[in-house]
Amino acid sequence: AAGVIQSPRHLIKEKRETATLKCYPIPRHDTVYWYQQGPGQDPQFLISFYEKMQSDKGSIPDRFSAQQFSDYHSELNMSSLELGDSALYFCASSSDRDEQFFGPGTRLTVL
Amino acid sequence: KQEVTQIPAALSVPEGENLVLNCSFTDSAIYNLQWFRQDPGKGLTSLLLIQSSQREQTSGRLNASLDKSSGRSTLYIAASQPGDSATYLCAVRGQGGSEKLVFGKGTKLTVNP
Repeated sequence: AAGVIQSPRHLIKEKRETATLKCYPIPRHDTVYWYQQGPGQDPQFLISFYEKMQSDKGSIPDRFSAQQFSDYHSELNMSSLELGDSALYFCASSSDRDEQFFGPGTRLTVL
Repeated sequence: KQEVTQIPAALSVPEGENLVLNCSFTDSAIYNLQWFRQDPGKGLTSLLLIQSSQREQTSGRLNASLDKSSGRSTLYIAASQPGDSATYLCAVRGQGGSEKLVFGKGTKLTVNP
C-alpha cells in the first residue's frame, strides 16, 4: 500500500539559511499534518491543511510557513534557521480527518 | 490543555511474556486515540485507532482498550517477541475541530530473547 512520502530524508543547513520540506500524502487523503520531534522528545504538532486550506495551527514559529497545493502535496518552508530547529519533521495524512498515517520523516540538522 | 502521560517510561521483559502499556490523558473530551510504534530515528507506525465511542480494538497480538471517562487507555501485547522492541507512543485527538494529536512521551520496550 502507498505510504506518505517525504523529501528530502536528510538535510543539513547552516544557521540563518532556509529549508523547504516536501510531503506527498497517501492518494485520496485530503488532510496533511506537520509535526516536529526534537531529540528525545515526543512529536509536537505544527500545522494542518484540509482540502488545501489551513485547518489547525499549533506551536509553529513565525519563521515557518506551509501550504498545500492543488495536487494535495504540502511544503513546509523554514527561514532564518536556528540550532534549535534541528529535529525530525514528520508529515502525516488522513482521509476524512480520521486515522493519521505518518511518513518516514525528514531529519534536519542545523549547524 | 490536554496532557498525555505514559507509564512506565521503559520496560524490559523476556520473550514470550504478555505485557500492558498504560496511557492516561487529562481531558476526556477526545475524538479518538491512536497507538503508534517508533523504532530509533524512524517514523511512526500506526498500530491501532480507537474512536471515542469504542471500548477496544484488536490487531493480531495487540489489543487496545479505552476508558474515556477515566481518561485511560491500555495497549496489551500478547506473547512478546524481540521484534516488538521499540518505543510505543499514545496520542489523543481532541474534540471541537482540533486536528492535532497530542502525544505522550512513550514507553521504550525491550524484549529480550
